[in-house]
Amino acid sequence: EVQLLESGGGLVQPGGSLRLSCAASGFTFRSYAMSWVRQAPGKGLEWVSAISGSGDSIYYADSVKGRFTMSRDNSKNTLYLQMNSLRDEDTAIYHCAKDRADESQHLVIRGAFDIWGQGTMVTVSS
Amino acid sequence: DIQMTQSPSSLSASVGDRVTITCRASQGISNYLAWYQQKPGKVPKLLIYVTSTLQSGVPSRFSGSGSGTDFTLTISSLQPEDVATYYCQKYDSAPRTFGQGTKVEIK
Repeated sequence: EVQLLESGGGLVQPGGSLRLSCAASGFTFRSYAMSWVRQAPGKGLEWVSAISGSGDSIYYADSVKGRFTMSRDNSKNTLYLQMNSLRDEDTAIYHCAKDRADESQHLVIRGAFDIWGQGTMVTVSS
Repeated sequence: DIQMTQSPSSLSASVGDRVTITCRASQGISNYLAWYQQKPGKVPKLLIYVTSTLQSGVPSRFSGSGSGTDFTLTISSLQPEDVATYYCQKYDSAPRTFGQGTKVEIK
């Protein structure tokens, strides 16, 4: 069974840092691009960041660029999101999500997210 | 960056009604468009990708259409279990922006 399990969320003061992890299982992790998507309480979905299977290509939303760093360790089947200089508006549930097909497939086929983790809550507050 | 705009923001319809949700991209995205369903307290579920291809296990009452900048999600006969918020998403390139969501309720 394909599973994604996030951890690392919690309460942090504005300006602080957190590192989120996403443990993947049930698929060939290194062959899939992955993303982080967040959802503020009562709000819609916001794409945060994406990383290629090798980790060579990484993309960020403007709202987190320069503050967040996405990475992966394919030997541990784990995805990371290092979050620095946190702001109140970063408060959200953070989900990791898997592209629906591996990188041998065309982007139009693989680029949607078929598996989502349950998420980890990040609260930024003084 | 390309913006994704959904309409309406919410709707209320009767069981059995045909429901249509629209998603408009501020620039052309070819057919790199997905739809997700999120029920209260649950994670989003992929319904449709490549504009009109149903993800495995999704009921056939769901369908998608469009190309370029204008896309629609149609529920041919609304069922009680379809109460949810629906999101479109572009994935032609980063950022993989979502629409703001459409909340569907039963009248």
